[in-house]
Amino acid sequence: SYVLTQPPSVSVAPGKTARITCGGNNIGSKSVHWYQQKPGQAPVLVIYYDSDRPSGIPERFSGSNSGNTATLTISRVEAGDEADYYCQVWDSSSDVVFGGGTKLTVL
Amino acid sequence: QVQLQESGPGLVKPSETLSLTCAVSGYSISSGYYWGWIRQPPGKGLEWIGSIYHSGSTYYNPSLKSRVTISVDTSKNQFSLKLSSVTAADTAVYYCATSVDPQSCFDYWGQGTLVTVSS
Repeated sequence: SYVLTQPPSVSVAPGKTARITCGGNNIGSKSVHWYQQKPGQAPVLVIYYDSDRPSGIPERFSGSNSGNTATLTISRVEAGDEADYYCQVWDSSSDVVFGGGTKLTVL
Repeated sequence: QVQLQESGPGLVKPSETLSLTCAVSGYSISSGYYWGWIRQPPGKGLEWIGSIYHSGSTYYNPSLKSRVTISVDTSKNQFSLKLSSVTAADTAVYYCATSVDPQSCFDYWGQGTLVTVSS
């Protein structure tokens, strides 16, 4: 089965840039989607197909994907960005796979 | 705007079958899209359970496949989840969500419903 590996936590000061990684075997050949989940709420799609942003998602959110690592980048981090972030791919052997999630803390 | 709403018992006894329904509004299931179930145990990450196309084609998580049945009722514009032989490990918030195709993202989600497995 296909495995996605995320760091359990990332900390960043307000106004700085946060980078959350999602590792997987040759993940660069797959499409990666990213979700933001705040406590007690359903996940919200923030990046799809590696780097596209849904309407309503700030331009501060961006994504990239190459080799064995996909990255969600949040520029000019705000307190309201504090949340759990999950990556997701589709794999031919596992179908839908989610990463373990990363808790973003804004210092 | 597609809206999804989960419903079903919040408490299920061990060894019994968990049954949930997701009512869809703002879009006709029979028009297309894939309709899925995702769960999240308390304090843990997301786990995909399975998805169904409006035609009835299903895709299940291999680790749950033997216990899962997802079905669609186009007349009621809803789809359902059945998970058999539940244990405490199946305690989770269950979300329904939709995607354009199996390889795509889940762009609309329900609010989620907590199901506790306990005697």
